[in-house]
This record gives sequence, C-alpha cells and structure tokens, in this order.
Amino acid sequence: DTGVSQDPRHKITKRGQNVTFRCDPISEHNRLYWYRQTLGQGPEFLTYFQNEAQLEKSRLLSDRFSAERPKGSFSTLEIQRTEQGDSAMYLCASSFGPSGLNTEAFFGQGTRLTVV
Amino acid sequence: GENVEQHPSTLSVQEGDSAVIKCTYSDSASNYFPWYKQELGKRPQLIIDIRSNVGEKKDQRIAVTLNKTAKHFSLHITETQPEDSAVYFCAASPLNRDDKIIFGKGTRLHILP
Repeated sequence: DTGVSQDPRHKITKRGQNVTFRCDPISEHNRLYWYRQTLGQGPEFLTYFQNEAQLEKSRLLSDRFSAERPKGSFSTLEIQRTEQGDSAMYLCASSFGPSGLNTEAFFGQGTRLTVV
Repeated sequence: GENVEQHPSTLSVQEGDSAVIKCTYSDSASNYFPWYKQELGKRPQLIIDIRSNVGEKKDQRIAVTLNKTAKHFSLHITETQPEDSAVYFCAASPLNRDDKIIFGKGTRLHILP
C-alpha cells in the first residue's frame, strides 16, 4: 500500500460533459474526504465519508456533484454537466480513527480537471 | 459551521530567521488542529498537529501553540532553511459526529537567501 491514489491524474473535458473521479484510500482507513483546491487557495471541503456513510456534503456543492463510497473502500466523485467554474484540483484524503478522535489525513496527488 | 482564517497570505523571511503563521477558528467545539505543508505541484503533507488538551507542541524547528480561549493557534518555524519555502495550511476539526477538517486559505512562505 503506497498511500492514497487517485485516478485519473488529469482530465480535460468539454463543458456539459459528465466526469467521474476515483479515489483509493489507504487500506483500513475508515474516513475519506473530498476537497477541491483552486490556485492559491486552501483545500475546500466537499464531502466526507465514515466507512460507507456520507456524513456531510458542503453547501457549496451543487446537485451536479455526487459522491459514493460503496462497501466503505474506494470512492467516486461524479460531476454532471460540467461548467468552466468546476476547473480545479480535486483532492482525496483518508484517515483512521473512531468518531470524535481525528488523526492525520493523508492526501492523494489529486485529479486536475480542466473544463474547456 | 467551522470557519478558519489564516494570516498572512504571503510571508518572506531571511534564511535563518523565524517565521510565524497565525490562524483563528470559529467553532469552539474544534479539538484537533493540524498544519500541512504543500510544495509546488505536490500533495499537502502533515507537518505537525495539536489537540485541544495541549497548549504547545514542538518538533525540532517547528512548534505550534494553541489558545482555546481566544480560538487561535500559530505555527512557528525557527532557523528557517530554503527547503521551508512552500505553502502552509492550518486546519481545524470539530468534535462532532462528522469530524470533518476545515482548512485555511494558506500562507506562501518564501525563504530569502
């Protein structure tokens, strides 16, 4: 296990198309986070899973965004009808710990989305 | 929800001098405060973290202090070196059911020769 992996690393898509990203967390990590990062900004929280349960979705996330984590392992983030404003780096992170005890979150290398 | 403010957005210090980055948080339920370093084109990586039951933590040239009353925490880097040049992010995580981690906007640290 070499850490959190994300696929693809880069994605260029035309406006209006749907895209799906995948994140494979570190084995046995029960928590999985999705963040969006634009140039010069900090990671912006999108959504969070504890095992297979999606516990929170940011208010910033429109209905075009959906995330899943079947069986509490890998996760997918889908963006429907992409817009130019969706262009960003999408980061996935995972951590392990019981509820109420946070530990280090390990980040993947991200998927850079460009909407043209 | 939690909101994390970070200052300054850019910081330049002479090599060998100290650097201080400050953050404030809004949710008094936050109990975990990690700091991440992100080098150009790379993923954020944890450099130090502190929990709310501790006021200060040190790891070699890096230290973090936490003031729960004022809801602010700071990162101190002493004897700065060229490899310290990067973007640093503070974050806070509330002791709630969701345990999500909220990041500040980052500080770009330049170490001048």
